[in-house]
Amino acid sequence: DTEVTQTPKHLVMGMTNKKSLKCEQHMGHRAMYWYKQKAKKPPELMFVYSYEKLSINESVPSRFSPECPNSSLLNLHLHALQPEDSALYLCASSQGLVAGYTQYFGPGTRLTVL
Amino acid sequence: DAKTTQPNSMESNEEEPVHLPCNHSTISGTDYIHWYRQLPSQGPEYVIHGLTSNVNNRMASLAIAEDRKSSTLILHRATLRDAAVYYCILRANNAGNMLTFGGGTRLMVKP
Repeated sequence: DTEVTQTPKHLVMGMTNKKSLKCEQHMGHRAMYWYKQKAKKPPELMFVYSYEKLSINESVPSRFSPECPNSSLLNLHLHALQPEDSALYLCASSQGLVAGYTQYFGPGTRLTVL
Repeated sequence: DAKTTQPNSMESNEEEPVHLPCNHSTISGTDYIHWYRQLPSQGPEYVIHGLTSNVNNRMASLAIAEDRKSSTLILHRATLRDAAVYYCILRANNAGNMLTFGGGTRLMVKP
């Protein structure tokens, strides 16, 4: 099973709402990632978790708050977002942080901020 | 980070071979060349990777120039399902497992 699942598929939220994106994998992978992809642009790395600890934060605003409660689950908590945060949010996982490991991506959550 | 340059778009006929080029003139000796693709409305998926030698797998072949300053992803028989954005990415062995995506090549396949 090489599947990474993400819920919800679509999310519409107001600027004052609090919502969460969820990502799950059951491949035993110990590294998990969040990427942001604006329309017609390539994905951009936001966060990297390794063994449930935050390893990399690519200077992401604090209105995005990642959480890795266990090795299979990765959340992205959203609060006070701006319309320019509307994008496709992709989750990925890999066996570890060594450069040769393949990353497996989920289908993404399409977020619209009104 | 070493950068890659790819054409913005390419077109192919169905069942014909496709050669997708990538230039990476500042590649360092420990950089791996990875290819991912992103089909419409999906997350990226791994295609192939290599270091110095040409590589084959069930999806594609990767031809790497002798000086490693360029590489070519080869799809032997394009199908409509191969229509996607193809990303050529360099990954340094000592830089963790992050993917830095460039612009990619949008491949269109005509029936």
